[in-house]
Amino acid sequence: EPEVTQTPSHQVTQMGQEVILRCVPISNHLYFYWYRQILGQKVEFLVSFYNNEISEKSEIFDDQFSVERPDGSNFTLKIRSTKLEDSAMYFCASSEGQGALVGYTFGSGTRLTVV
Amino acid sequence: RKEVEQDPGPFNVPEGATVAFNCTYSNSASQSFFWYRQDCRKEPKLLMSVYSSGNEDGRFTAQLNRASQYISLLIRDSKLSDSATYLCVVNSGYSTLTFGKGTMLLVSP
Repeated sequence: EPEVTQTPSHQVTQMGQEVILRCVPISNHLYFYWYRQILGQKVEFLVSFYNNEISEKSEIFDDQFSVERPDGSNFTLKIRSTKLEDSAMYFCASSEGQGALVGYTFGSGTRLTVV
Repeated sequence: RKEVEQDPGPFNVPEGATVAFNCTYSNSASQSFFWYRQDCRKEPKLLMSVYSSGNEDGRFTAQLNRASQYISLLIRDSKLSDSATYLCVVNSGYSTLTFGKGTMLLVSP
């Protein structure tokens, strides 16, 4: 079964440092997403990406965040200057059609710990 | 604010029991509804979409009541492997999904 692959599985970083979380979506999928889940809380939308541009973003996705599809396979989330409250599980997802209509396939996540 | 509300549980049931979860959503414009399953510290996995006419997938039955903005999930003949958190999910935009906090199910032998 096709998978969304995320690396690394766990990243520890110092406050103020930049991090890049990497994702390889399913190859024929056209829509890409980042969500996060703070421990014990609900899964929250960050950003959606289609046709090489952001299609929607939440209020969480401020100027510290950016996304990029640097080549035909990778989809990255960059946090420029990490804060303690950025500690969370970050999930990448992809969908063949509009995900809000068909549901997503999520990757296994990157656990980000900011110290 | 667009919210999805669920009873957090936990629901403790013996193997073989039937259990039902409910969920309410606030955005009357929502068009798509899903149940996801999430195991501890793992990613959410799509369990089933929910249609107005109701739908069934094996032991799982989902119902939608648009007038009451209410979604339900029924699990029959519970298995130990059904132990997980069940997430009610509703579309809240062109491409975005809003997740509930989830209902935890614990199935015991």
